[in-house]
Amino acid sequence: SQQGEEDPQALSIQEGENATMNCSYKTSINNLQWYRQNSGRGLVHLILIRSNEREKHSGRLRVTLDTSKKSSSLLITASRAADTASYFCALAGRSYNTDKLIFGTGTRLQVFP
Amino acid sequence: EPEVTQTPSHQVTQMGQEVILRCVPISNHLYFYWYRQILGQKVEFLVSFYNNEISEKSEIFDDQFSVERPDGSNFTLKIRSTKLEDSAMYFCASKRQSLNSNQPQHFGDGTRLSIL
Repeated sequence: SQQGEEDPQALSIQEGENATMNCSYKTSINNLQWYRQNSGRGLVHLILIRSNEREKHSGRLRVTLDTSKKSSSLLITASRAADTASYFCALAGRSYNTDKLIFGTGTRLQVFP
Repeated sequence: EPEVTQTPSHQVTQMGQEVILRCVPISNHLYFYWYRQILGQKVEFLVSFYNNEISEKSEIFDDQFSVERPDGSNFTLKIRSTKLEDSAMYFCASKRQSLNSNQPQHFGDGTRLSIL
């Protein structure tokens, strides 16, 4: 299966703490993307990391990618209550004729004030 | 910032009825997608669309499903005869550049489809 598998499934932390979510996958990828989903809402794109990149930052977000281990991590630093949401990794495969995203199972993050 | 917009936000339909879900992709985007998310499950790819034709579809996207871009702005998903298992959140997405380009897909807020 190409799909991303995320861990942990759920994570509860206090405001100000860092949150780390991991995504593992089995196939070759063109890029890996992270999305956030607030309860009952749409998917918000957070960050895209290409297969030839190892680390990327955006504000309080830091994403790493290890293609040899087929894994990625999303770190949210200095978390806030507003970061409470589900976070998904999504794989864009390397095949030339497809650009569908294969989503992971997601991590539910709860940040307590 | 431009957004993908979807209507309606919630659709309740009797089993066996036809339903059309509507999406307005971001205006300069060329690639369009439908995904669905059954409650508590992963987001699943349904279909991609480019240059007025389907470029890829999943096993889920059977003969009951169709997509159309009837004009320059709308992108629709039609389910011809709905089943109970079609109940899900349906997401539309669009992307600006070509296949395999490293551009993100931008998603709408979804339509929650409830089949009774």
